[in-house]
Amino acid sequence: GENVEQHPSTLSVQEGDSAVIKCTYSDSASNYFPWYKQELGKGPQLIIDIRSNVGEKKDQRIAVTLNKTAKHFSLHITETQPEDSAVYFCAASISDTGNQFYFGTGTSLTVIP
Amino acid sequence: DTAVSQTPKYLVTQMGNDKSIKCEQNLGHDTMYWYKQDSKKFLKIMFSYNNKELIINETVPNRFSPKSPDKAHLNLHINSLELGDSAVYFCASSRINEQFFGPGTRLTVL
Repeated sequence: GENVEQHPSTLSVQEGDSAVIKCTYSDSASNYFPWYKQELGKGPQLIIDIRSNVGEKKDQRIAVTLNKTAKHFSLHITETQPEDSAVYFCAASISDTGNQFYFGTGTSLTVIP
Repeated sequence: DTAVSQTPKYLVTQMGNDKSIKCEQNLGHDTMYWYKQDSKKFLKIMFSYNNKELIINETVPNRFSPKSPDKAHLNLHINSLELGDSAVYFCASSRINEQFFGPGTRLTVL
């Protein structure tokens, strides 16, 4: 089955700096890669996603890149703000097999004011 | 309008009891899930239901049983609760690819 690895497990950045979280996956059949943000006491919330036919996607200060050959994808947050502090999860999905989602182990991001 | 809702938000109970957590989604999604999140924040899939059929059943104890009365609901029943069942349980739903989570139920077994 699919195996998703996520690094780093914790990340601290100064406000205004950029943050990068990286994930790798094992199954080349995976074709959908969402990112979730989980704030304290809340459920994970989808913030951005990318499909296998796209190499990069951007939404304001967040962007995701996908390298299918190397089987890795990354989340980039620019101009970080204190409200970006949260746990971030990457996931991989094979949409043809019944919507199974495989999650990374999470990255706790702290933005220092 | 809450897309995916869970009740209760907090559940404190004694070891050996039986409890249920309810989940409802108003998104018209075809698939619903239950996840367990431990103290290290790891998200582990427990079950998923697609059109009232179980399509994923990870290696969870048979004390846990999902029940789906209709496409909008997937409830989680837990029998003979154990200390190790303490965690946050999330319900989620998806259609095609996008998956949406509920707010979670923090279960504490004493």
